Amino acid sequence: GDSVTQMEGPVTLSEEAFLTINCTYTATGYPSLFWYVQYPGEGLQLLLKATKADDKGSNKGFEATYRKETTSFHLEKGSVQVSDSAVYFCASYSGAGSYQLTFGKGTKLSVIP
Amino acid sequence: DTGVSQDPRHKITKRGQNVTFRCDPISEHNRLYWYRQTLGQGPEFLTYFQNEAQLEKSRLLSDRFSAERPKGSFSTLEIQRTEQGDSAMYLCASSLELPNYGYTFGSGTRLTVV
Repeated sequence: GDSVTQMEGPVTLSEEAFLTINCTYTATGYPSLFWYVQYPGEGLQLLLKATKADDKGSNKGFEATYRKETTSFHLEKGSVQVSDSAVYFCASYSGAGSYQLTFGKGTKLSVIP
Repeated sequence: DTGVSQDPRHKITKRGQNVTFRCDPISEHNRLYWYRQTLGQGPEFLTYFQNEAQLEKSRLLSDRFSAERPKGSFSTLEIQRTEQGDSAMYLCASSLELPNYGYTFGSGTRLTVV
């Protein structure tokens, strides 16, 4: 089955720093890839997605590019804010008769002023 | 669009008791999913409904767990004879399209078994 591996946290950055959270996947075929964000006490929100190789998903200043050759979907942001403090989850969906998303363990980001 | 609603937000129960959670999906979404999330982990898939039909179940969904979606709208997840290992956040999600477009999650029900 699918698996998703994310860099372990926690990650602590100063405001306006550059953010990278690494994500690699193993899957059948070419999955769709997602980044979800979870703020304290809340459910997961879809941050961005990419459905095929070389696609770039983007939202709220965050970006991730679907790299088939390295099976990666790293999340980046050029200048983080305190309000970006949350847990970030990478996920994949391969289909093939299943309807489940496979999630990584999450990376906690703390941004300090 | 009021989003995906889950009730209750928190539930504390004694070991051995039965609990039931409710999920109201976004009204036009015919696909509904249940996940479980333990501390420090990503969500793990439990089950999937398309309209009222339960089309996929994870092996995590033991005999003590049952989920229903009787009219293709709201769904319930029941856990019988709760165990301490059932303590987790139970997340519901819904979608109109296939999962390759992503889901919309609710805020979850946090279960604590004491």
